Amino acid sequence: DAGVTQSPTHLIKTRGQQVTLRCSPKSGHDTVSWYQQALGQGPQFIFQYYEEEERQRGNFPDRFSGHQFPNYSSELNVNALLLGDSALYLCASSFWQGPDSNQPQHFGDGTRLSIL
Amino acid sequence: QKEVEQNSGPLSVPEGAIASLNCTYSDRGSQSFFWYRQYSGKSPELIMSIYSNGDQEDGRFTAQLNKASQYVSLLIRDSQPSDSATYLCAVTVTLVFGAGTILRVKS
Repeated sequence: DAGVTQSPTHLIKTRGQQVTLRCSPKSGHDTVSWYQQALGQGPQFIFQYYEEEERQRGNFPDRFSGHQFPNYSSELNVNALLLGDSALYLCASSFWQGPDSNQPQHFGDGTRLSIL
Repeated sequence: QKEVEQNSGPLSVPEGAIASLNCTYSDRGSQSFFWYRQYSGKSPELIMSIYSNGDQEDGRFTAQLNKASQYVSLLIRDSQPSDSATYLCAVTVTLVFGAGTILRVKS
Protein backbone atom coordinates (compact mmCIF):
# COMPACT_ATOMS: atom_id res chain seq x y z
CA ASP A 1 0.00 0.00 0.00
CA ALA A 2 1.85 3.06 -1.28
CA GLY A 3 1.87 6.00 1.05
CA VAL A 4 2.09 9.67 0.10
CA THR A 5 5.05 10.28 -2.19
CA GLN A 6 6.68 13.63 -2.93
CA SER A 7 9.35 14.73 -5.35
CA PRO A 8 11.99 15.98 -5.37
CA THR A 9 13.32 15.42 -1.84
CA HIS A 10 15.64 18.41 -1.96
CA LEU A 11 15.80 21.47 -4.17
CA ILE A 12 18.02 24.54 -4.30
CA LYS A 13 16.84 27.68 -6.11
CA THR A 14 17.81 31.33 -6.24
CA ARG A 15 15.65 34.36 -5.51
CA GLY A 16 13.19 35.23 -8.25
CA GLN A 17 13.06 31.76 -9.73
CA GLN A 18 10.02 29.52 -9.96
CA VAL A 19 9.63 26.01 -8.55
CA THR A 20 7.21 23.09 -8.96
CA LEU A 21 6.82 20.40 -6.33
CA ARG A 22 4.91 17.17 -6.89
CA CYS A 23 2.80 14.85 -4.76
CA SER A 24 1.02 11.53 -5.23
CA PRO A 25 -1.58 10.74 -2.57
CA LYS A 26 -1.90 7.55 -0.57
CA SER A 27 -3.79 4.82 -2.39
CA GLY A 28 -7.54 5.34 -1.95
CA HIS A 29 -7.21 9.04 -1.08
CA ASP A 30 -8.62 11.75 -3.32
CA THR A 31 -7.83 14.96 -1.45
CA VAL A 32 -4.45 16.65 -1.28
CA SER A 33 -3.37 19.43 1.06
CA TRP A 34 -0.09 21.34 1.04
CA TYR A 35 1.75 22.73 4.05
CA GLN A 36 4.86 24.85 4.58
CA GLN A 37 7.01 24.10 7.63
CA ALA A 38 9.73 26.55 8.57
CA LEU A 39 12.52 25.40 10.88
CA GLY A 40 11.31 25.04 14.47
CA GLN A 41 7.69 25.76 13.57
CA GLY A 42 4.57 23.70 13.02
CA PRO A 43 3.32 23.20 9.45
CA GLN A 44 1.27 26.07 7.99
CA PHE A 45 -1.68 25.23 5.71
CA ILE A 46 -1.30 26.51 2.13
CA PHE A 47 -4.28 25.03 0.26
CA GLN A 48 -6.35 21.92 -0.34
CA TYR A 49 -7.44 20.28 -3.60
CA TYR A 50 -10.33 17.96 -4.35
CA GLU A 51 -11.84 17.10 -7.75
CA GLU A 52 -9.17 19.25 -9.40
CA GLU A 53 -10.39 22.38 -7.62
CA GLU A 54 -8.88 24.45 -4.82
CA ARG A 55 -11.32 23.97 -1.94
CA GLN A 56 -9.68 25.90 0.87
CA ARG A 57 -6.74 28.24 1.12
CA GLY A 58 -4.58 29.47 3.96
CA ASN A 59 -2.96 32.86 4.35
CA PHE A 60 -0.45 32.60 1.52
CA PRO A 61 0.10 35.05 -1.37
CA ASP A 62 -0.91 34.39 -4.96
CA ARG A 63 2.69 33.44 -5.73
CA PHE A 64 1.66 30.06 -4.35
CA SER A 65 -0.56 28.15 -6.74
CA GLY A 66 -1.49 24.55 -7.28
CA HIS A 67 -3.09 21.99 -9.47
CA GLN A 68 -4.68 18.59 -9.08
CA PHE A 69 -4.79 16.04 -11.88
CA PRO A 70 -7.49 13.46 -12.67
CA ASN A 71 -5.39 10.74 -11.00
CA TYR A 72 -5.51 12.84 -7.76
CA SER A 73 -1.82 13.75 -7.86
CA SER A 74 -1.00 17.38 -7.27
CA GLU A 75 1.58 20.09 -7.90
CA LEU A 76 2.55 23.12 -5.86
CA ASN A 77 4.01 26.04 -7.80
CA VAL A 78 5.79 28.98 -6.24
CA ASN A 79 6.74 32.00 -8.36
CA ALA A 80 9.19 34.82 -7.67
CA LEU A 81 10.91 32.91 -4.90
CA LEU A 82 11.96 34.82 -1.78
CA LEU A 83 14.55 33.86 0.82
CA GLY A 84 11.68 33.39 3.28
CA ASP A 85 10.25 30.61 1.11
CA SER A 86 13.02 28.31 2.32
CA ALA A 87 11.19 25.55 4.21
CA LEU A 88 10.05 21.95 4.21
CA TYR A 89 7.00 21.61 1.97
CA LEU A 90 4.69 18.84 3.02
CA CYS A 91 1.91 17.17 1.10
CA ALA A 92 -0.87 15.39 3.00
CA SER A 93 -3.66 13.25 1.61
CA SER A 94 -7.03 12.15 2.89
CA PHE A 95 -10.41 10.87 1.73
CA TRP A 96 -12.96 13.58 0.97
CA GLN A 97 -16.15 13.42 3.00
CA GLY A 98 -17.23 17.02 2.49
CA PRO A 99 -15.69 20.36 3.45
CA ASP A 100 -15.99 19.58 7.16
CA SER A 101 -14.60 16.06 6.96
CA ASN A 102 -12.83 14.86 10.07
CA GLN A 103 -10.70 12.34 8.21
CA PRO A 104 -7.10 12.46 9.43
CA GLN A 105 -4.43 13.45 6.94
CA HIS A 106 -1.33 11.42 6.15
CA PHE A 107 1.89 13.17 5.24
CA GLY A 108 4.58 12.50 2.69
CA ASP A 109 8.27 12.87 3.49
CA GLY A 110 8.33 16.43 2.17
CA THR A 111 10.47 18.49 -0.17
CA ARG A 112 13.16 20.62 1.44
CA LEU A 113 13.44 23.84 -0.55
CA SER A 114 16.44 26.12 -0.06
CA ILE A 115 16.54 29.60 -1.58
CA LEU A 116 19.95 31.22 -2.07
CA GLN B 1 -7.22 33.92 13.70
CA LYS B 2 -7.26 30.29 14.75
CA GLU B 3 -4.42 29.53 17.14
CA VAL B 4 -3.01 26.42 18.74
CA GLU B 5 -0.61 26.81 21.63
CA GLN B 6 1.90 24.27 22.93
CA ASN B 7 4.78 24.50 25.36
CA SER B 8 7.87 24.20 23.19
CA GLY B 9 9.84 22.30 25.85
CA PRO B 10 12.03 20.41 25.86
CA LEU B 11 10.13 18.12 28.20
CA SER B 12 12.53 15.62 29.74
CA VAL B 13 11.26 12.41 31.34
CA PRO B 14 13.10 9.29 32.51
CA GLU B 15 12.59 6.02 30.69
CA GLY B 16 9.48 4.23 31.92
CA ALA B 17 7.78 7.40 33.18
CA ILE B 18 4.58 9.02 31.91
CA ALA B 19 5.06 11.97 29.56
CA SER B 20 2.24 14.54 29.53
CA LEU B 21 1.94 16.92 26.59
CA ASN B 22 -0.60 19.73 26.50
CA CYS B 23 -2.27 21.90 23.89
CA THR B 24 -4.84 24.71 23.94
CA TYR B 25 -6.79 26.05 20.97
CA SER B 26 -8.69 29.25 20.28
CA ASP B 27 -11.48 28.21 17.88
CA ARG B 28 -14.37 27.04 20.05
CA GLY B 29 -16.05 25.52 16.98
CA SER B 30 -13.23 23.03 16.36
CA GLN B 31 -14.46 19.47 15.97
CA SER B 32 -11.40 17.33 15.23
CA PHE B 33 -8.09 17.07 17.02
CA PHE B 34 -4.92 15.20 16.15
CA TRP B 35 -1.53 14.44 17.63
CA TYR B 36 1.38 13.96 15.26
CA ARG B 37 4.92 12.83 16.08
CA GLN B 38 7.78 14.28 14.07
CA TYR B 39 11.33 12.98 14.26
CA SER B 40 14.09 15.41 13.32
CA GLY B 41 14.26 15.84 9.55
CA LYS B 42 11.19 13.66 8.96
CA SER B 43 7.54 14.32 8.18
CA PRO B 44 4.73 14.30 10.78
CA GLU B 45 3.28 10.88 11.61
CA LEU B 46 -0.30 10.60 12.89
CA ILE B 47 -0.45 8.88 16.28
CA MET B 48 -3.87 9.84 17.72
CA SER B 49 -7.18 11.32 16.61
CA ILE B 50 -9.90 12.47 19.02
CA TYR B 51 -13.30 14.00 18.26
CA SER B 52 -15.37 13.94 21.47
CA ASN B 53 -14.81 14.88 25.09
CA GLY B 54 -13.04 12.32 27.24
CA ASP B 55 -10.19 9.88 26.70
CA GLN B 56 -9.10 7.95 23.63
CA GLU B 57 -6.55 5.20 24.22
CA ASP B 58 -4.29 3.38 21.75
CA GLY B 59 -1.58 1.22 23.27
CA ARG B 60 0.76 3.40 25.33
CA PHE B 61 -0.90 6.60 24.08
CA THR B 62 -3.95 8.32 25.56
CA ALA B 63 -5.45 11.49 24.10
CA GLN B 64 -7.71 13.60 26.30
CA LEU B 65 -10.12 16.28 25.09
CA ASN B 66 -11.98 18.93 27.06
CA LYS B 67 -13.91 21.17 24.67
CA ALA B 68 -15.27 23.41 27.44
CA SER B 69 -11.71 24.29 28.45
CA GLN B 70 -10.45 24.15 24.80
CA TYR B 71 -7.72 21.77 25.92
CA VAL B 72 -6.20 18.64 24.39
CA SER B 73 -3.52 16.49 25.97
CA LEU B 74 -1.46 13.44 25.10
CA LEU B 75 -0.18 10.99 27.70
CA ILE B 76 2.59 8.55 26.82
CA ARG B 77 2.92 5.72 29.32
CA ASP B 78 6.13 3.73 29.83
CA SER B 79 8.10 6.30 27.81
CA GLN B 80 10.92 4.90 25.70
CA PRO B 81 14.01 6.62 24.23
CA SER B 82 12.43 6.00 20.80
CA ASP B 83 9.58 8.33 21.83
CA SER B 84 12.03 11.26 21.77
CA ALA B 85 10.63 13.55 19.06
CA THR B 86 8.61 16.71 18.53
CA TYR B 87 4.88 16.23 19.20
CA LEU B 88 2.55 18.42 17.18
CA CYS B 89 -1.03 19.18 18.19
CA ALA B 90 -3.34 19.90 15.21
CA VAL B 91 -6.91 21.14 15.22
CA THR B 92 -9.79 21.15 12.68
CA VAL B 93 -10.21 19.95 9.12
CA THR B 94 -7.47 22.02 7.48
CA LEU B 95 -4.96 21.35 10.14
CA VAL B 96 -3.93 24.27 12.30
CA PHE B 97 -0.77 23.15 14.03
CA GLY B 98 0.90 24.21 17.21
CA ALA B 99 4.65 24.79 17.10
CA GLY B 100 5.22 21.43 18.79
CA THR B 101 6.66 20.18 22.07
CA ILE B 102 10.09 18.55 22.06
CA LEU B 103 10.09 15.40 24.19
CA ARG B 104 13.33 13.82 25.40
CA VAL B 105 13.22 10.45 27.13
CA LYS B 106 16.40 9.72 29.06
CA SER B 107 17.55 6.14 29.54
